[in-house]
Amino acid sequence: GAVVSQHPSRVICKSGTSVKIECRSLDFQATTMFWYRQFPKQSLMLMATSNEGSKATYEQGVEKDKFLINHASLTLSTLTVTSAHPEDSSFYICSAGRVAYNEQFFGPGTRLTVL
Amino acid sequence: GENVEQHPSTLSVQEGDSAVIKCTYSDSASNYFPWYKQELGKGPQLIIDIRSNVGEKKDQRIAVTLNKTAKHFSLHITETQPEDSAVYFCAAKATGGTSYGKLTFGQGTILTVHP
Repeated sequence: GAVVSQHPSRVICKSGTSVKIECRSLDFQATTMFWYRQFPKQSLMLMATSNEGSKATYEQGVEKDKFLINHASLTLSTLTVTSAHPEDSSFYICSAGRVAYNEQFFGPGTRLTVL
Repeated sequence: GENVEQHPSTLSVQEGDSAVIKCTYSDSASNYFPWYKQELGKGPQLIIDIRSNVGEKKDQRIAVTLNKTAKHFSLHITETQPEDSAVYFCAAKATGGTSYGKLTFGQGTILTVHP
């Protein structure tokens, strides 16, 4: 299957700082990228959907000004957690693919810890 | 929107036994049902999927069945091995409107295979 990478894999930051997470499709061009959040022992919760060159669509209850998503190219999407607080600590996972073909490949995830 | 229920939440089997995980979905328009395996600290990996025009699909020790009328689908793992131990998620893909392409995940099943 196709490869999706995330960077960094793990980040620890102080409360109030901003953190950027990158999601890259390494060997294919993804028309759509999804960002998920997963709390310990829970399922994946979709945060937002982004298509290259257009604004992201956020799920209900997800603050778009806090979780900034940029999908600059067919191989790169970034999620910026602004003014992070301890309750934002979670496992963030992206996926990339072409939804019309049922393709959705997941990245390895980024563990964010906010002190 | 779509709602996916997954059972059981935990499943413990002896090596060599079979394991069955079941999911139900609410949106009759959903047409794609993937299963993911997630190991600790990693992103989900697609292990098998099925489309709504098929009733059953098999890949070596793994099989998935779909009952569209009852709106449920199941994962079957035969001859389980300790390396099958992980969290398994079912998902259903939305087909229309603003939800197009989104995956809704079940709650997850922690499978433990004892040697």
